[in-house]
Amino acid sequence: EAQVTQNPRYLITVTGKKLTVTCSQNMNHEYMSWYRQDPGLGLRQIYYSMNVEVTDKGDVPEGYKVSRKEKRNFPLILESPSPNQTSLYFCASSKGHLNTEAFFGQGTRLTVV
Amino acid sequence: GENVEQHPSTLSVQEGDSAVIKCTYSDSASNYFPWYKQELGKRPQLIIDIRSNVGEKKDQRIAVTLNKTAKHFSLHITETQPEDSAVYFCAATLNSGGYQKVTFGTGTKLQVIP
Repeated sequence: EAQVTQNPRYLITVTGKKLTVTCSQNMNHEYMSWYRQDPGLGLRQIYYSMNVEVTDKGDVPEGYKVSRKEKRNFPLILESPSPNQTSLYFCASSKGHLNTEAFFGQGTRLTVV
Repeated sequence: GENVEQHPSTLSVQEGDSAVIKCTYSDSASNYFPWYKQELGKRPQLIIDIRSNVGEKKDQRIAVTLNKTAKHFSLHITETQPEDSAVYFCAATLNSGGYQKVTFGTGTKLQVIP
């Protein structure tokens, strides 16, 4: 089954404790991205990757890091989480260079206290 | 960069009535406009899309229209049903450097009242 898988689904952490949210897709998509969803603000892009070892900032990259060492995986790293990073996070993948739909993961609800 | 505005932010309709959600975009180079539906607690999923060389597209009870000159596009849902209740996001896609840059609207929460 074609899918994008994120882990964990829920995470509560403390300020400053490094964390990683994993994302994996099995569709051989070149393009992957991370979004955060906040009430009234919609989906805002954090980082995206056009292919292995190719990443770039989205609209709200501050406080986040990503890596793309393999085509299928695109982890989101918060080196020193802060309460303003409390949000719902979605990973998405698509074929990228064509105008095609984005497939979203199940979402990760992150709370930073 | 691209800016997408979406209205209304909330919409309540009686079951069986029609619902219309409107979006405007700023970059005339955007050429792909998908609509996503997000049910409560679930991930966004594509429901319909339209490319810039097309003015209208229909799929059963949902349709999308695109006015490139005015830079706006709309989602139309006819004969609404309770299962249409969800948050709907529009998006504008710009091809940049051979890859697509997607900008989402802020979402419309649609409530269909039985």
